Amino acid sequence: EDQVTQSPEALRLQEGESSSLNCSYTVSGLRGLFWYRQDPGKGPEFLFTLYSAGEEKEKERLKATLTKKESFLHITAPKPEDSATYLCAVHPHNQGGKLIFGQGTELSVKP
Amino acid sequence: DAGVIQSPRHEVTEMGQEVTLRCKPISGHNSLFWYRQTMMRGLELLIYFNNNVPIDDSGMPEDRFSAKMPNASFSTLKIQPSEPRDSAVYFCASSLRTVDTEAFFGQGTRLTVV
Repeated sequence: EDQVTQSPEALRLQEGESSSLNCSYTVSGLRGLFWYRQDPGKGPEFLFTLYSAGEEKEKERLKATLTKKESFLHITAPKPEDSATYLCAVHPHNQGGKLIFGQGTELSVKP
Repeated sequence: DAGVIQSPRHEVTEMGQEVTLRCKPISGHNSLFWYRQTMMRGLELLIYFNNNVPIDDSGMPEDRFSAKMPNASFSTLKIQPSEPRDSAVYFCASSLRTVDTEAFFGQGTRLTVV
């Protein structure tokens, strides 16, 4: 069964304290892995898509990496405005447009 | 473009009533998705359309749920009759294509069934 597990469930950081969020996945065949950011009361906002092991993508203080079993979202020198829930989703082969989401990591960055 | 537009933003209804949620996707996007988000189950795909045609409705919880897309700029998700366990945030999302492209989400409709 296709599955996505994110850890930790919640993460509290001080401003400037770098860390990583983990997304482990089990899927019959991976078409793509997506990272989204969700602020309270809003819909998820697209961040990155990764397609193959070894691929990396960066955006401001965020860098996403992908291996055959997991993805990491590295946050370098975070700021309070980076506080949000970060969602990981996999797009399996042979399932059309279906995305399977993890439960998310709630990140809080204190000044 | 204003993005994906959902209405209403909040809906409170009594058990047994019919509820209709509405969505206007981004112009030019060919795929539309309905998701439900709860604390217990996270974000789950209910149904998606490609070129206005329902492709996969395996996530629709039961026959009380139905979705339509009469044209490229409008979709509805209907619950009839509603039950307290349907309380959740319902998101609509659209993308250029079904596969390999990111989905853009609306602000969601928070449904409370009392």
